[in-house]
Amino acid sequence: DAKTTQPPSMDCAEGRAANLPCNHSTISGNEYVYWYRQIHSQGPQYIIHGLKNNETNEMASLIITEDRKSSTLILPHATLRDTAVYYCIAGSNDYKLSFGAGTTVTVRA
Amino acid sequence: EPEVTQTPSHQVTQMGQEVILRCVPISNHLYFYWYRQILGQKVEFLVSFYNNEISEKSEIFDDQFSVERPDGSNFTLKIRSTKLEDSAMYFCASRGPGTTAVRNEKLFFGSGTQLSVL
Repeated sequence: DAKTTQPPSMDCAEGRAANLPCNHSTISGNEYVYWYRQIHSQGPQYIIHGLKNNETNEMASLIITEDRKSSTLILPHATLRDTAVYYCIAGSNDYKLSFGAGTTVTVRA
Repeated sequence: EPEVTQTPSHQVTQMGQEVILRCVPISNHLYFYWYRQILGQKVEFLVSFYNNEISEKSEIFDDQFSVERPDGSNFTLKIRSTKLEDSAMYFCASRGPGTTAVRNEKLFFGSGTQLSVL
């Protein structure tokens, strides 16, 4: 799996958009970009994934650069419940997901 | 939304004892996984299981570990002789089959079993 690099932490104001960057410069053509989050030591929760195209679902949007070397997860209207550790994972293996340290996102009122 | 259920939520055991961690995956799912997270560390893959056999396992998953799907609903992780370093939160996960055209990428995780080895 390709190595990913994320900032260790970031703050966000409640109600504002949170933009979480991820660098995966060594990603290969068949590797997807997955985003999961973990709220206070609960089980990781799937957010979104993509291969080449930008993706949107009820939780978030995923913007992948044209060269696929980086991506951004966008939480459009952050709430206090979005405070969590967010993991960006690049991989193609059968869900042998390699979690890194992630980005600790703190949403402040 | 459907859930993966894990029991017990906490398990305390003595070093050298056997423990079985139990999971009930989502009912129509076919692929099953165990991950673990030592306090303050990363979530680590242990093993994947499909069609009643192990698909892949990590270096952590040595001969002391085994998995089983004893019936149509449960998925278990057994540690034969626990060590202090096995203390961790263990997460079960599952996913559905998807279709021939679309992979089902969404992995559902349970809330975990906190294992403490004394």
